[in-house]
Amino acid sequence: GDSVTQMEGPVTLSEEAFLTINCTYTATGYPSLFWYVQYPGEGLQLLLKATKADDKGSNKGFEATYRKETTSFHLEKGSVQVSDSAVYFCALKARSTGNQFYFGTGTSLTVIP
Amino acid sequence: EAGVAQSPRYKIIEKRQSVAFWCNPISGHATLYWYQQILGQGPKLLIQFQNNGVVDDSQLPKDRFSAERLKGVDSTLKIQPAKLEDSAVYLCASSYSGGGNTGELFFGEGSRLTVL
Repeated sequence: GDSVTQMEGPVTLSEEAFLTINCTYTATGYPSLFWYVQYPGEGLQLLLKATKADDKGSNKGFEATYRKETTSFHLEKGSVQVSDSAVYFCALKARSTGNQFYFGTGTSLTVIP
Repeated sequence: EAGVAQSPRYKIIEKRQSVAFWCNPISGHATLYWYQQILGQGPKLLIQFQNNGVVDDSQLPKDRFSAERLKGVDSTLKIQPAKLEDSAVYLCASSYSGGGNTGELFFGEGSRLTVL
């Protein structure tokens, strides 16, 4: 079935460090891919998305490219800030299963000054 | 534009008691989802509605959980009787059904349930 595998955390980085959070997926057909972010005590918010192969989603300095050949959607940011501390979830929306969303287990990021 | 509204934000109950959560999606969003998020895990789909019909409830523990969306707008999720393992955050989300499979989910802030 459709699924998302996400890099386990927690991840701790110093401010201005480079961030990569790995995400790979398994899906039938051509899913849309998403990164959601959850700040402490809040619900999930969309960070970025990509709807087809080779699309790059970007927002707030974060980027992820939909790689069909490697079935990956890794999240990157060149210089993290303390305010980026949160839990990040990779997700796919599968056309083949009634547009269901499948989420990864989440990666907790802590950025220290 | 108003977001997804959920209530209550927090609920503490004893095991074997009942609890109900309410969700009002973004206006015009035909699809509504209830997710269960256990601490340290990703959201797990409990039930998906399209208007007032159920699309998928395969992971809903039907012996104790029920959900309805009678008029195709707001929804209620009920747990009766609650077990200790039901302690989690219950997230409601909605999405616009047009535009194929590109539409994202919009989440509420969640209802945190603690079962003692």
